[in-house]
Formats: sequence, C-alpha cells, structure tokens
Amino acid sequence: AQRVTQPEKLLSVFKGAPVELKCNYSYSGSPELFWYVQYSRQRLQLLLRHISRESIKGFTADLNKGETSFHLKKPFAQEEDSAMYYCAPSQGNLIFGKGTKLSVKP
Amino acid sequence: DAEITQSPRHKITETGRQVTLACHQTWNHNNMFWYRQDLGHGLRLIHYSYGVQDTNKGEVSDGYSVSRSNTEDLPLTLESAASSQTSVYFCASSESGVRPEQFFGPGTRLTVL
Repeated sequence: AQRVTQPEKLLSVFKGAPVELKCNYSYSGSPELFWYVQYSRQRLQLLLRHISRESIKGFTADLNKGETSFHLKKPFAQEEDSAMYYCAPSQGNLIFGKGTKLSVKP
Repeated sequence: DAEITQSPRHKITETGRQVTLACHQTWNHNNMFWYRQDLGHGLRLIHYSYGVQDTNKGEVSDGYSVSRSNTEDLPLTLESAASSQTSVYFCASSESGVRPEQFFGPGTRLTVL
C-alpha cells in the first residue's frame, strides 16, 4: 500500500540553526515527490519538487531511493520559515503526509 | 490574474442538513480536487475530477458528492452533514499532464453542530 510518513508532528529550532524535516515513503515504482508548505492563515503552496532540483527559500530536498526518503533541509532556519510542511508523493494523485509543524524561535 | 476561490469561507450548520461548498477556478485547469484537513491526519482526498462530467472517489468520499458541469467549478456536497465532517476543506486545481503542481484555494472551515 502507498504510504508516506512524517515522523515529527512538531519541530522546534532556534533561528540560525539547521533544520531537517523528515519524510519517508513506501511506494511501488518511482513516485514524484513534492513538499508543500502552509504559512499561518495562508493557503497551501508548492515549496519544491524533486524533479526540478531547485532550492526554494533556502530549502533543498534530496531523494534517497535506497532509503525511500525525501527529507527537507535548510542550513540556517529563519523565523519566517515557521509553518506547516507536508511531504506528498505522487504516482497520479498526491498523497499527503500528516505534516510537520516547524517553529523557529528567535 | 487567474485564481482559485472557495465559498463560503466559514460555515456553521446542523447535523442532518445538506451543505454545498463552492470551488471556482479561473486557471482553466482540467483537474480539480477536494481535500479535508484535520489535526493528526494531514490532508485527505475526498473527490477529484479530471474534466467535465468526470468525477472520482478519493480516500474519504463517504458522505460527500461532487459534480462537474463545467471546467471552472467543482462544488462539494455533504448530503446529510455529520459532526465527524467538521473540518477545514480545501479545493485545488492543476493542469493535465504528469503529476503537475496543484494550486490550492483558501479553504472553508465547516462546523457541524
């Protein structure tokens, strides 16, 4: 069965610290992987997708097919990064993880 | 500018009533989706449509229905609202093609008393 796991419900870091939001997936085949973000009182929006290999707002995500992981990383967290982050694999429709709430403290 | 809107933004209703949530997009996207967002569950797919007259059930479709009579709109109907359907509902749309980006509406907060 298709499954995506974000093991941390809440991740709290201080400004300037590195941050890693974990995502593990269980899929047959090769899904495309996305990270969506929801800032407070805003709608969900695409943060990045692995196929584009971009760095958005300082975030990167590396697909590790061996570990079936797609962790989101940023070397120096900023307060404005505080938000809800969703990992979402897709082999057609998106399947969202339960989300990780990132809180960046000053 | 193209956009996706939802109405109402907030709705309070009573158990057993029929409720319809509207979703309208001006992107001219073929694909449209309805999700519900609940604490501890993330976003779960309710129904989706890949074009006019096409509708499909998602992961949590029981108690919900949709219809697609034109490209722009995908209304979500709760036939007989239940307290378990209290949630935040998001509509999204995307182009056709292989795993395109989805664009989300602002959400509708529904409370069923």
